[in-house]
Amino acid sequence: GAVVSQHPSRVICKSGTSVKIECRSLDFQATTMFWYRQFPKQSLMLMATSNEGSKATYEQGVEKDKFLINHASLTLSTLTVTSAHPEDSSFYICSAPQGLRVTDTQYFGPGTRLTVL
Amino acid sequence: RKEVEQDPGPFNVPEGATVAFNCTYSNSASQSFFWYRQDCRKEPKLLMSVYSSGNEDGRFTAQLNRASQYISLLIRDSKLSDSATYLCVVRARGGSYIPTFGRGTSLIVHP
Repeated sequence: GAVVSQHPSRVICKSGTSVKIECRSLDFQATTMFWYRQFPKQSLMLMATSNEGSKATYEQGVEKDKFLINHASLTLSTLTVTSAHPEDSSFYICSAPQGLRVTDTQYFGPGTRLTVL
Repeated sequence: RKEVEQDPGPFNVPEGATVAFNCTYSNSASQSFFWYRQDCRKEPKLLMSVYSSGNEDGRFTAQLNRASQYISLLIRDSKLSDSATYLCVVRARGGSYIPTFGRGTSLIVHP
């Protein structure tokens, strides 16, 4: 099946620093990628839709200036958590649908566990 | 009302039992349906797509009822390794076909 990678898998940083997370589709092109956040024992919450060649679409309540998204190519989207604070500690997961049809399967990256001290 | 609703459980069943999960969705424009499995501290992984006619994959059977707007997952002969959270995912036409997740149903299979 299709593979989506994420890097890094785990990061621990000090409060106030910025963290960049990369999401790559390894064997298919993705014009759209999704970024989710998941707190312990909670469901996946969609943060934003990353669109290749245009601005990301953010969900209500997600600060676009804090969570910067760049979809630089058809295989790479990055999420930068700027000036991270302890409340940003979470499991961040990206996903990409394999094609443009509504029935196409969505594949998830392995996730990035962010801990802000 | 949430767009996709699932009973969070947990469902606690013995090995060999049959267990069923339901999921309801509110968007009548929903076009595609999936069940994902998520293990603790891991990413969700596709278990199976759900087709209109219903489909089966080994011990797993998925059904779709468009009239009542729900999907179901049946697991027969439960194994210890089936313990996980099962996520119902729905995609609707329009925009980027953003998938909508249920909060998941936790299954614990015990010896």
